[in-house]
Formats: sequence, structure tokens, C-alpha cells
Amino acid sequence: QQQVKQSPQSLIVQKGGISIINCAYENTAFDYFPWYQQFPGKGPALLIAIRPDVSEKKEGRFTISFNKSAKQFSLHIMDSQPGDSATYFCAASMGDYKLSFGAGTTVTVRA
Amino acid sequence: GAGVSQSPSNKVTEKGKDVELRCDPISGHTALYWYRQSLGQGLEFLIYFQGNSAPDKSGLPSDRFSAERTGGSVSTLTIQRTQQEDSAVYLCASNGGGTNEKLFFGSGTQLSVL
Repeated sequence: QQQVKQSPQSLIVQKGGISIINCAYENTAFDYFPWYQQFPGKGPALLIAIRPDVSEKKEGRFTISFNKSAKQFSLHIMDSQPGDSATYFCAASMGDYKLSFGAGTTVTVRA
Repeated sequence: GAGVSQSPSNKVTEKGKDVELRCDPISGHTALYWYRQSLGQGLEFLIYFQGNSAPDKSGLPSDRFSAERTGGSVSTLTIQRTQQEDSAVYLCASNGGGTNEKLFFGSGTQLSVL
């Protein structure tokens, strides 16, 4: 049973468009929410992370929005580029060693 | 090495055979993790090592799965009597073991059980 539900499973966006990936969780003990990016044939790599005491965090073209009351968080990729084509995983942890990952979203950016 | 190294990168085996997957973490990283990535299932936690001990083995799917870590470095994940449902990418990650510390993943071993 996945503790973090991620949607959509895949999405296609035109170059320059906005990609939005959503995640939801039930466990209110989660207090750390990272996003990992994975290219084909590679392991996932940390992209950006947020704690629940802030509602938004931005790093370059990537923004996490966090809604604590709704127990939801999302990743927005602004001005999407072909190089952003990858699989994105949201995750959550209780401040310990164990991350619970979502099922992943494959993003394809068309030039 | 500069990153987490896993071998082999691909393994094809017959049902019922045993397989060993190896992980060489980043030098100095005390914590080591094994995850399994199945199609459409995301990353499934298998086991966590702190040094040579494994305080959390809760994700190992069955007693056919075991793992060890020696010298606080290299880890081996062993799957005995492989089944077709074991086919997946097995990912290893390491870090310094701190709170909310990012994971450094290897490229994984693609296991195919025929």
C-alpha cells in the first residue's frame, strides 16, 4: 500500500509549457517532502525538497507548492525544456531514514 | 569512486536460480539503502544499513531475500530461488545517515527472471 499517491502517471507538454505533478499523503507525521528526478538508465537524483512549515519553494524553473491542510503537494516545472524529459518521483518521510515514494510520473517535453 | 556503483548493470537468470547484486557506496557514507523499482510501482524500500548493521529489514519481500554489508562499505543483496515476480530494477543508495539527508543513488541492476 503506497503511502504517497502520485498523479498523473505520465504527461506530455510542449516546450515552454508548464508541467504539473500532484501528490497526496495521509500520514500527518510526514515532515519532509522531496522530489527526485530520474533519467533513463540512471538512478534518481534529488531535485528539490520542502518542509511543511512553508507553502512554496522555488529553485530555478522548479517550484514545490505545499498544502498542509489538504495533505497535498505538487511540482511545477515552468518553461519546460526537452532536457526536463524524465520520470519524477515525489516522496515523504518522518524525518528519519525511510522515504516513501510515489509511483512516478513520466514527463515528455515535445520540442 | 565518485558515485554509488552497482554491479552487474543487467542480470538475466532462470527461475529458481540464486543471484547476488553488489553495491559500492560513496566513500565515507555510513548509511546504505536498497530499493526495488518495478514498472508503475515507484520505489519500494527493502532494507537500511547503518554501518554494518541493518536496523530495518522490514521491506524485504520474503525470506528468499537477504542482504549484508561488510567493512561499513560494500553491500550484497542476495535473492535465492528467484521467481518471475522478482524481475525489477534494484537500486542502491547511500548517504551520511543524517536527518532528511539526500540519497545518492546508483544506476541500478536490471534483474530479469525468465
